[in-house]
Amino acid sequence: KNQVEQSPQSLIILEGKNCTLQCNYTVSPFSNLRWYKQDTGRGPVSLTIMTFSENTKSNGRYTATLDADTKQSSLHITASQLSDSASYICVVIARSNDYKLSFGAGTTVTVRA
Amino acid sequence: KAGVTQTPRYLIKTRGQQVTLSCSPISGHRSVSWYQQTPGQGLQFLFEYFSETQRNKGNFPGRFSGRQFSNSRSEMNVSTLELGDSALYLCASSPDRGLYEQYFGPGTRLTVT
Repeated sequence: KNQVEQSPQSLIILEGKNCTLQCNYTVSPFSNLRWYKQDTGRGPVSLTIMTFSENTKSNGRYTATLDADTKQSSLHITASQLSDSASYICVVIARSNDYKLSFGAGTTVTVRA
Repeated sequence: KAGVTQTPRYLIKTRGQQVTLSCSPISGHRSVSWYQQTPGQGLQFLFEYFSETQRNKGNFPGRFSGRQFSNSRSEMNVSTLELGDSALYLCASSPDRGLYEQYFGPGTRLTVT
């Protein structure tokens, strides 16, 4: 079973609207959580990196939240633009003897005019 | 600064052949990680190199190998190719290990026929 679950699998929103993507994980011991944006045919681009002590972090119109107690994270996109159409991937990194990366399957966001 | 570059961008190979992919990290970056991305499995971690040493490894068979040179450039090799190896192979670099942002290259699209 995947230790990082993302929902929804895909969503369609109208330009200018907001949306929220979810990431639930069971990975431990937790080190940090990362959100990436991947445009079709391109490599992922980092949006945020969140450590245990961080609850909220913003990057422009993207705001990530982390609840380390419930092991949940969300990515909120405000005032969506056509360029936000992409796949959003949640990655959780555990650290014991070394780093172990666990990837979510991604949420595909389509923004329509 | 130039971004992460990967060569070749596209490759078609036949089952049983071997392939070598190349990654040039951002200047000054010492950590290079490799990932496989397929529609069915999503992003999966292959291995990480730092200071010419493999520091971390994912759950892939021994047919997948890599190396890093003194200038931090990295190569990965896949021997005895299988149809299931068809994927986008992504390379990412970061300044150091740990809590650093990773910068991805555009990927190499490998098709095995």
